[in-house]
Parts: sequence; structure tokens; C-alpha cells
Amino acid sequence: DTEVTQTPKHLVMGMTNKKSLKCEQHMGHRAMYWYKQKAKKPPELMFVYSYEKLSINESVPSRFSPECPNSSLLNLHLHALQPEDSALYLCASSQAGTYYGYTFGSGTRLTVV
Amino acid sequence: AQKVTQAQTEISVVEKEDVTLDCVYETRDTTYYLFWYKQPPSGELVFLIRRNSFDEQNEISGRYSWNFQKSTSSFNFTITASQVVDSAVYFCALSFNAGGTSYGKLTFGQGTILTVHP
Repeated sequence: DTEVTQTPKHLVMGMTNKKSLKCEQHMGHRAMYWYKQKAKKPPELMFVYSYEKLSINESVPSRFSPECPNSSLLNLHLHALQPEDSALYLCASSQAGTYYGYTFGSGTRLTVV
Repeated sequence: AQKVTQAQTEISVVEKEDVTLDCVYETRDTTYYLFWYKQPPSGELVFLIRRNSFDEQNEISGRYSWNFQKSTSSFNFTITASQVVDSAVYFCALSFNAGGTSYGKLTFGQGTILTVHP
């Protein structure tokens, strides 16, 4: 299995809702990443998990809460989002000890209404 | 600081024309990796190529070719005989060891929107 699977593919949520994005990989990668991509912009790094521990938080607002419950799974919990948080959220993984073999998921397109 | 610059925001060509997408990068690291990704309208990032900082060989893959020049910190991408299916956003990216040895940090350029007209 050489894929990163993201669910759901599309999500519409209200500003008072709580929802979660899910990312799963079974390649044995021990580094996992969340990126946010606004329309017509490049992906921007949000969080990095390394060996299930949060290693990088790029000053992301607390309404985004990442979680890595095990080495295969990465979640992004969303609460009280704003319309400007509407974006494509991409998950990626890479083998620990390397920084060249990234595998990206196909993303979750989030709309906040 | 790491930085990737793609000078062309948008390029429009007619099918069968050759097109070159420019990428210039900045880094103080001696070991790093450069990438090109394609992002069609569906949104997924499609990996095209990876180059490490010690390998300056140019590469050709079908209609795609890449020119890596460390002396000018450039990693340019050429599509020969472009096709409508090549229409997408193309990102150049730089990866480096972000701390310790367990993960990397991937920095993207702003992207070039390529439109190929029939």
C-alpha cells in the first residue's frame, strides 16, 4: 500500500460545528504532515508529527487541533472555524530519517459557512 | 531561510509548443532536495521528479525534462510538445532536514498556472 488516504473528500461545516479530518497511511512512515492550501496559493505547512509526537506547529490557531493516535493515523479536529479557513487540507507522510520521500493524500476540500 | 521562487505566475501556450517553467531557490543547507509537483483542477499533488543537491544530472522523462544548475540555484522544468492535459498548476519545492533527523520541511514556490490551448 503506497497511498495516503484522506477522508472525507469534501466537507461543509458551520462556524459552530465540530468536525474532524482523517488521514491514514500504511507505509510505515513515522513523519506525518498537515498542509493548508488556499485557492491559487501553494500548500502551507501547519503541523508535523514525528513518531506520534507533535514536532512543528506553525503558529496555527487553536481552533485547529491535530492528533496522532498511532503511527498510521493523523487527525485534524476542527472547532469554531471561520469562513476564511475554507481551503484544501492536504495530509502527507514521509519515512523517518529522510526528507525526500513525501507521499501526499488527495486532500479534503473544506468549506466553512 | 529557505525560499523557492517561481517567476512565472501564469503561462499560456498553444498545443505542441514547448514551455519552460522557471524555479530559483535559496538555502544555506548543503544537503537538500528539489521537487516538481503537478496539481490538476481535482486538487491532488502529483509528484513529477525529485533531485538531491549532489546530483546535477539533467533528466528527461518522455516529454518532460529538468535542468538543475547549482551555480545559479535553479531547477527549471521543460515540457516539450505541450498537450491540453498538461494544463495544471505546477509547483517547485525544496525540502531540507528540519531538525534532528526524523522529518523534513517542504517549502513550495508560489506555483505557475499553465494553460495549454488546443
